[in-house]
Amino acid sequence: ILNVEQSPQSLHVQEGDSTNFTCSFPSSNFYALHWYRWETAKSPEALFVMTLNGDEKKKGRISATLNTKEGYSYLYIKGSQPEDSATYLCALLGETSGSRLTFGEGTQLTVNP
Amino acid sequence: EAEVAQSPRYKITEKSQAVAFWCDPISGHATLYWYRQILGQGPELLVQFQDESVVDDSQLPKDRFSAERLKGVDSTLKIQPAELGDSAMYLCASSPGLAGVLLYEQYFGPGTRLTVT
Repeated sequence: ILNVEQSPQSLHVQEGDSTNFTCSFPSSNFYALHWYRWETAKSPEALFVMTLNGDEKKKGRISATLNTKEGYSYLYIKGSQPEDSATYLCALLGETSGSRLTFGEGTQLTVNP
Repeated sequence: EAEVAQSPRYKITEKSQAVAFWCDPISGHATLYWYRQILGQGPELLVQFQDESVVDDSQLPKDRFSAERLKGVDSTLKIQPAELGDSAMYLCASSPGLAGVLLYEQYFGPGTRLTVT
């Protein structure tokens, strides 16, 4: 069973603040990492799929980096807005996990106006 | 924009009753997934289909859960009999990629919130 950990569990920031959260995974068993955003009462939405060490992806004010050697990925949000309030999930596809994604427990972000 | 459809959105059922959830993936997506998300935890894969074939159901409690995707399009997940511990969000997702090629993002439906009383 793969262990995917996300921190912090929850985060409250003010509008305009920049923030980041962490996804940790076993570096010895990596194939790909997914990031999803899940707003309350909506469907989880894919943000990024990352595979290469050192990869950096960006979508608007959200960006992510990947370090497969040390087993972590950071998600950054620049200038947080209330509409960024959501749970952010990372999910690992391990080399030995077939085609099964293992999700972390998520980071719940609340952006106060 | 195409979406994954799920119904019902909410279901309340009594312990020992049967319950079924339906999912219609995005047209053309060959791979379909059913996940269970217990409050405070990440989604856990229950079953994965490639077209009409089951690729992975290793985490599906087969004594009470069943899933089918008869024509390789929409899918049904059934629980019989429901237990209190089955209360959770049941998410369906689809992907344009082949099973085993998870470089494609997954597209999720809005989920069915099940409460077992």
